[in-house]
Amino acid sequence: GAVVSQHPSWVICKSGTSVKIECRSLDFQATTMFWYRQFPKQSLMLMATSNEGSKATYEQGVEKDKFLINHASLTLSTLTVTSAHPEDSSFYICSASGRAYEQYFGPGTRLTVT
Amino acid sequence: GENVEQHPSTLSVQEGDSAVIKCTYSDSASNYFPWYKQELGKGPQLIIDIRSNVGEKKDQRIAVTLNKTAKHFSLHITETQPEDSAVYFCAASIPGNQFYFGTGTSLTVIP
Repeated sequence: GAVVSQHPSWVICKSGTSVKIECRSLDFQATTMFWYRQFPKQSLMLMATSNEGSKATYEQGVEKDKFLINHASLTLSTLTVTSAHPEDSSFYICSASGRAYEQYFGPGTRLTVT
Repeated sequence: GENVEQHPSTLSVQEGDSAVIKCTYSDSASNYFPWYKQELGKGPQLIIDIRSNVGEKKDQRIAVTLNKTAKHFSLHITETQPEDSAVYFCAASIPGNQFYFGTGTSLTVIP
């Protein structure tokens, strides 16, 4: 149990375009979903927290107009990187939390902006 | 806010030996402490966790200990195997709040 999927697993896009990443909890209802960004050989950096049906809460320094998060249902959250630039290239990971303490992570999405 | 420190940053052990990774936290209100294993190019995988009302928890070759007074917790892996090689992250949280992650430990098990 507690499986979280992400799609796509990797994506290459041109500078200026937008990219949508999906995060799904497959076998449980995720009341809260989290989006992280991870640079090579570094820890996870929380970008935002989203609760189903509510606006996402963004961490300081994260541009909410650039990283659009939608938590449309208890099993789906999406992160859209708008007008992507090469500095947005990174490994993006979502996690989902149900009623218990645990956070279960997706497999991550490697974004490369050329 | 919470500050989690993790040591060592890299660790190499011979196959069959034990590995210990230590974390400290600053917020005494934190009461949930998970450990994650992350393999290259993959998302973190929860391997064990402990809540503050427990001092030790074991799952086969993996164990976690918690000292609330000293605000530190440790991951112990016994009889290490090459497939244990990965980056391990500790975290601390108050339920319902965000996780605060350590900086990670890159474990290499030498066959």
